[in-house]
Amino acid sequence: NAGVTQTPKFQVLKTGQSMTLQCAQDMNHEYMSWYRQDPGMGLRLIHYSVGAGITDQGEVPNGYNVSRSTTEDFPLRLLSAAPSQTSVYFCASSSGRAKNIQYFGAGTRLSVL
Amino acid sequence: DAKTTQPPSMDCAEGRAANLPCNHSTISGNEYVYWYRQIHSQGPQYIIHGLKNNETNEMASLIITEDRKSSTLILPHATLRDTAVYYCIVRAHPYSGGYQKVTFGIGTKLQVIP
Repeated sequence: NAGVTQTPKFQVLKTGQSMTLQCAQDMNHEYMSWYRQDPGMGLRLIHYSVGAGITDQGEVPNGYNVSRSTTEDFPLRLLSAAPSQTSVYFCASSSGRAKNIQYFGAGTRLSVL
Repeated sequence: DAKTTQPPSMDCAEGRAANLPCNHSTISGNEYVYWYRQIHSQGPQYIIHGLKNNETNEMASLIITEDRKSSTLILPHATLRDTAVYYCIVRAHPYSGGYQKVTFGIGTKLQVIP
């Protein structure tokens, strides 16, 4: 059982470039979330989705877009990368039918130069 | 969600019990206590959760005080692989059916010493 899969694991971008961080889960969870983790700041919620076609903003949504066309996939888009977006990004999925336990991916380490 | 307070760091000798405290004095009646841990550079991993009764699973035990204002995560025989950041989280009823935003604070960095 793969769980939550994130790609790529590492990425270096130049300021102004765009990219998409991929996240896929195979547990049929209705909820998916994106977090970023910076040194000394814990995990902060960027965007989340409660089902296909439904997304909402979290604590730090600026500079990021999301969409959810299928239950399995929840990509995170950086339209114009900035150095302030250098961080480690984690995707998570959960289900209200499964005690709302969040399952996290291994993370994507992004550097914006 | 209720705010939690954890010590920033703790040490534990290998083979001894690690007791990680968490204060959640503003917890409300329908909120559960969850614990996760994050081993270096990996995604957080669920450990255990509970409402008011003590809970035990293959990874740890969770002791919640009678007034529910604090809890302790116990790793009965800590190993070097238990070195990680441990997060205590309080959130509403897991079966409420709605999405619940989860706030991960700084957590407690547990260092298991050989």
